Amino acid sequence: DVKVTQSSRYLVKRTGEKVFLECVQDMDHENMFWYRQDPGLGLRLIYFSYDVKMKEKGDIPEGYSVSREKKERFSLILESASTNQTSMYLCASSKKSATNEKLFFGSGTQLSVL
Amino acid sequence: QKEVEQNSGPLSVPEGAIASLNCTYSDRVSQSFFWYRQYSGKSPELIMSIYSNGDKEDGRFTAQLNKASQYVSLLIRDSQPSDSATYLCAVNVERDDKIIFGKGTRLHILP
Repeated sequence: DVKVTQSSRYLVKRTGEKVFLECVQDMDHENMFWYRQDPGLGLRLIYFSYDVKMKEKGDIPEGYSVSREKKERFSLILESASTNQTSMYLCASSKKSATNEKLFFGSGTQLSVL
Repeated sequence: QKEVEQNSGPLSVPEGAIASLNCTYSDRVSQSFFWYRQYSGKSPELIMSIYSNGDKEDGRFTAQLNKASQYVSLLIRDSQPSDSATYLCAVNVERDDKIIFGKGTRLHILP
């Protein structure tokens, strides 16, 4: 069965801390995405990647960076966490195709920044 | 810039009736359209994808696409309480090659 695994389900961090959110997929997918989901705002794209060492900004990249050193792993980094980054973070992956295949989502990481 | 818009609901529909969910998008060159279902506390899961004008049926679900009107909809026939969830419309924004979601419509099926 296909799987996207996020390292933590719940995470509590302090303001100013550097935070790493890890995502691993076992489907050999080329595309990987990081979204955040907030009540009333829906799913918003932070960063995405279509290949190893490649990254593209989404709609809300400010305050975040990403790393993709291996095809199966896509990391989201909060350089200096702030309270407005408290959110549910969802990682997704998909197979590269002309029509964009379905996204497979991880179970999410609920991050609280105090 | 609002690229994908949905009515947030909640949309309440009696069990056994047809639920109709609507979505509009602003990018005229979008070619791929998706409906995801998200239960409370869970991740989204794909239920329908549609790429060309017209209707696409899968069981109780029908997706409808009208590119001229930049409109995509999802019909759920014979609604069941298990259909109660948030439905997310997603569009492939081809100029950036990314997938953008609407805010979702909460659907509540009344037993």
